Amino acid sequence: AQTVTQSQPEMSVQEAETVTLSCTYDTSESDYYLFWYKQPPSRQMILVIRQEAYKQQNATENRFSVNFQKAAKSFSLKISDSQLGDAAMYFCAYEDTGNQFYFGTGTSLTVIP
Amino acid sequence: EAQVTQNPRYLITVTGKKLTVTCSQNMNHEYMSWYRQDPGLGLRQIYYSMNVEVTDKGDVPEGYKVSRKEKRNFPLILESPSPNQTSLYFCASSLNPLDGYTFGSGTRLTVV
Repeated sequence: AQTVTQSQPEMSVQEAETVTLSCTYDTSESDYYLFWYKQPPSRQMILVIRQEAYKQQNATENRFSVNFQKAAKSFSLKISDSQLGDAAMYFCAYEDTGNQFYFGTGTSLTVIP
Repeated sequence: EAQVTQNPRYLITVTGKKLTVTCSQNMNHEYMSWYRQDPGLGLRQIYYSMNVEVTDKGDVPEGYKVSRKEKRNFPLILESPSPNQTSLYFCASSLNPLDGYTFGSGTRLTVV
């Protein structure tokens, strides 16, 4: 089974500042997909951003962007201009070509007003 | 409204009493999947389905069954629940998993 590691159980950021959440994964495959999901206190899982491994260009969705380093097997999430609504648990996820998903253990993000 | 609907949202049951958690999606999605979420472990995939009558084991399938008789429904069955199956369960669906999944609101299951 693949492993996904989120080494930061908790992070905090000042409102309007930038924060980066780290994620590394272990795989021997060359083709796969990576995701960041957000889980606010409502417990709903919300897709934030996705990255295809064969694309070198880093994905961006408004204030959210990723730094994808394929050789290092690293997939960090950068949140710019942090807002109070960004406070949530963030999960990094890996999907193989057989549609199996593997999630990290999550990073709890606190946004300080 | 496009959504994945799970029922019930909360369930307390006793060891050994068979139960079913229902999952239904109204988006005509081919792919559906079940996960359990435990503190410190993140989400782990239990079973997934690529189409009607096509299911496959995820990372933690022991103690669970699923069926996919129609595209919209993907129930999770616990034939003989045990306390170690106490968890938060999520159903999810996708037209194409490469685009990510849409998740249900979760079912908090407690087995005593």
